[in-house]
Amino acid sequence: GAVVSQHPSRVICKSGTSVKIECRSLDFQATTMFWYRQFPKKSLMLMATSNEGSKATYEQGVEKDKFLINHASLTLSTLTVTSAHPEDSSFYICSARRLVSYNEQFFGPGTRLTVL
Amino acid sequence: EDQVTQSPEALRLQEGESSSLNCSYTVSGLRGLFWYRQDPGKGPEFLFTLYSAGEEKEKERLKATLTKKESFLHITAPKPEDSATYLCAVQAVNYGGSQGNLIFGKGTKLSVKP
Repeated sequence: GAVVSQHPSRVICKSGTSVKIECRSLDFQATTMFWYRQFPKKSLMLMATSNEGSKATYEQGVEKDKFLINHASLTLSTLTVTSAHPEDSSFYICSARRLVSYNEQFFGPGTRLTVL
Repeated sequence: EDQVTQSPEALRLQEGESSSLNCSYTVSGLRGLFWYRQDPGKGPEFLFTLYSAGEEKEKERLKATLTKKESFLHITAPKPEDSATYLCAVQAVNYGGSQGNLIFGKGTKLSVKP
């Protein structure tokens, strides 16, 4: 149990285009999903917290107009990187917190974004 | 400021050579401490949650312990397949921004040679 999927696993796009990344909790309901960014050999940096049915909460320094987050259901959250630029290239990872177990977060496999 | 520090940054072991990874933390109030394993190019895999000082949890060759200032991840007789980066994270009782946010350390990269 507690499986989280992400799609796509890898994406390469041209500068200026938008990219959508999906995060799904496959076998449980998640009231809260988190989006992280990870640079090479660095730890995870929280970008935003996504609550089902409400607006996402963004961490300081994260542009909410550039990283659009939608959490339309208890099993799906999406992150859209708008007008992507090479500096947005990174490894994006989502996590989901179960309704039942308040504290534990389960992570997706990540999405490698490369912007040319 | 809430902070998590992991040491060492990298650890090389021979197969069967037991050792420990350290996670020191400062947090206003600890709700939970988490250990994850991350393989290259993949998301973190949940290992343990610890909630109070003195608590211990085991899973196969791994054992996690918790004190009021730090946590240890003990690896007994490691195998090459235990090679990965091990991440420690804490969740504070009160976090003004995101609810339930995890604060991660930078990880310990473990390499186990056969």
